[in-house]
Amino acid sequence: GAVVSQHPSWVICKSGTSVKIECRSLDFQATTMFWYRQFPKQSLMLMATSNEGSKATYEQGVEKDKFLINHASLTLSTLTVTSAHPEDSSFYICSAPLVGYAYEQYFGPGTRLTVT
Amino acid sequence: GIQVEQSPPDLILQEGANSTLRCNFSDSVNNLQWFHQNPWGQLINLFYIPSGTKQNGRLSATTVATERYSLLYISSSQTTDSGVYFCAVRQGGSEKLVFGKGTKLTVNP
Repeated sequence: GAVVSQHPSWVICKSGTSVKIECRSLDFQATTMFWYRQFPKQSLMLMATSNEGSKATYEQGVEKDKFLINHASLTLSTLTVTSAHPEDSSFYICSAPLVGYAYEQYFGPGTRLTVT
Repeated sequence: GIQVEQSPPDLILQEGANSTLRCNFSDSVNNLQWFHQNPWGQLINLFYIPSGTKQNGRLSATTVATERYSLLYISSSQTTDSGVYFCAVRQGGSEKLVFGKGTKLTVNP
């Protein structure tokens, strides 16, 4: 099956620092990946669509200067949370669609970010 | 945009019981997926089911696209079935999945 990995699985950082989260499709290529944020006991909220070789598309209300997305290859997208603050603490999840007959999306295991 | 509603929001069962989770959506869709989010946060793909019926072990799902709903059946539930079940849909012309709010299932021994 399709496997998506994320690294790190959890990270603690100090307020004002930047954190980079990697999302990799391990056994398939993904020209598009998606980044979600999930607050406790809530559903997933789409933050942005990451496009290989071009700029990401951000959802309304998501600060593109705070959440930098780079999709440098067909298997890797990165999300950098810049100048992190405690309110950025959350669970971040990426996904990638397996394109073909279906357009089934597969999700990474998530990254828990805590900003102190 | 399309609305996705899941019911019930919470469900508590005894081990061995059966359950039905429902997902209603407000417009036609190209894609519907069911996921199980385990206690560690991983979303596990259960079914890709834009229409029809599928079965995988103790789980089965049915989507009636013309009536805009999907059902997930869990039979002989086990404690490991606990977690949150999400329904997500994709409309034609969009790559994005729109999620429902989920059903939190607790299976007690």
